[in-house]
Amino acid sequence: ETGVTQTPRHLVMGMTNKKSLKCEQHLGHNAMYWYKQSAKKPLELMFVYNFKEQTENNSVPSRFSPECPNSSHLFLHLHTLQPEDSALYLCASSQGRGDYEQYFGPGTRLTVT
Amino acid sequence: DQQVKQNSPSLSVQEGRISILNCDYTNSMFDYFLWYKKYPAEGPTFLISISSIKDKNEDGRFTVFLNKSAKHLSLHIVPSQPGDSAVYFCAASLDSGGYQKVTFGTGTKLQVIP
Repeated sequence: ETGVTQTPRHLVMGMTNKKSLKCEQHLGHNAMYWYKQSAKKPLELMFVYNFKEQTENNSVPSRFSPECPNSSHLFLHLHTLQPEDSALYLCASSQGRGDYEQYFGPGTRLTVT
Repeated sequence: DQQVKQNSPSLSVQEGRISILNCDYTNSMFDYFLWYKKYPAEGPTFLISISSIKDKNEDGRFTVFLNKSAKHLSLHIVPSQPGDSAVYFCAASLDSGGYQKVTFGTGTKLQVIP
């Protein structure tokens, strides 16, 4: 595997379910990001981890819970979501400080019913 | 408040002609600007960037122009090819202590007609 991978690619869940999105980067990067892309809206930064430490929480509701066990893996735990949370969730990584280029995974298309 | 704006949601261009995608921003503290390209079912991929201290950067068929006084940047693709058909995101970056905080525009869908 190369680059940034995300699983699952598609997820349908009910509002009472608990699920997790997984991201893995094979680039040796130190920073990882979660973005949300809703229809006709710009990519919204949700969380940033730099050297496994969370450095940014962009006012994200607590029903989204990130976890970064190491520099290569990033999870987004989901529980009691709302239909408006349906979106494309993108993971990205970058070398870290001073690195402007982010490498994105293919995304997880989430539908909340 | 949208700090990075792409006012044209779509653009159609004939193959071989020039494609010009535009982007405006409001925060004068941005120090780096980037363009990403996104195909359906894939994540965005980095295309080209420019530092705020420059006004032009060229890479093959792609050139980015920055006008700081107007807070405007543009991406020129010449000649345009059908494979360039994708959504193009403008992004602006700000040093946030330990990492670069990137703000994206809403994207412009480019269609290159053969």
